[in-house]
Amino acid sequence: AQSVTQLGSHVSVSEGALVLLRCNYSSSVPPYLFWYVQYPNQGLQLLLKYTTGATLVKGINGFEAEFKKSETSFHLTKPSAHMSDAAEYFCAVSDEAGNTGKLIFGQGTTLQVKP
Amino acid sequence: EAGVVQSPRYKIIEKKQPVAFWCNPISGHNTLYWYLQNLGQGPELLIRYENEEAVDDSQLPKDRFSAERLKGVDSTLKIQPAELGDSAVYLCASSITGNTEAFFGQGTRLTVV
Repeated sequence: AQSVTQLGSHVSVSEGALVLLRCNYSSSVPPYLFWYVQYPNQGLQLLLKYTTGATLVKGINGFEAEFKKSETSFHLTKPSAHMSDAAEYFCAVSDEAGNTGKLIFGQGTTLQVKP
Repeated sequence: EAGVVQSPRYKIIEKKQPVAFWCNPISGHNTLYWYLQNLGQGPELLIRYENEEAVDDSQLPKDRFSAERLKGVDSTLKIQPAELGDSAVYLCASSITGNTEAFFGQGTRLTVV
């Protein structure tokens, strides 16, 4: 069965500092991996996804993530945090091979950005 | 292009009452999903439709929850009767097919009192 673990339910960084949100997964099939962002009272917006090919994936708003099969990780990073990055971030893995909509989500990480 | 539209955005009901949520997916999206998001947790899939057929409803509590997608376009999720533990956000998502990006609506926040 597929599962996702996000390490750290809350992460606080200063504006301009590096953002690192950790995600480890377990999957019995080649994983498709995703990061979504959720602003208060909003739905989920896709930041980036890994399906096949290049393991370093670039997404919107300056975020990127690297798929490391040996570590079963898919950590999200951004070199310099902006106040507007404050939100809830979810890592997810596809529950079926090749399916990008049937997802297993982690518990989420709340990112706080301090001025 | 309009995104996934859900209504109502907020709903407060008393326990044991029925409630229904509506979702209009993005035009042309054949696959529709209903997810449940409890406070402080990630979403969990309740049901997935391919056109009008429910192809995965293993996580739907069928004793009180039901869903339909007549004509393979918009969908309704119903709870009858509602329980206090049903208080959560109900998210709808759609995609062109099961292997393309899913787009999420803003959700319906249900409070059962």
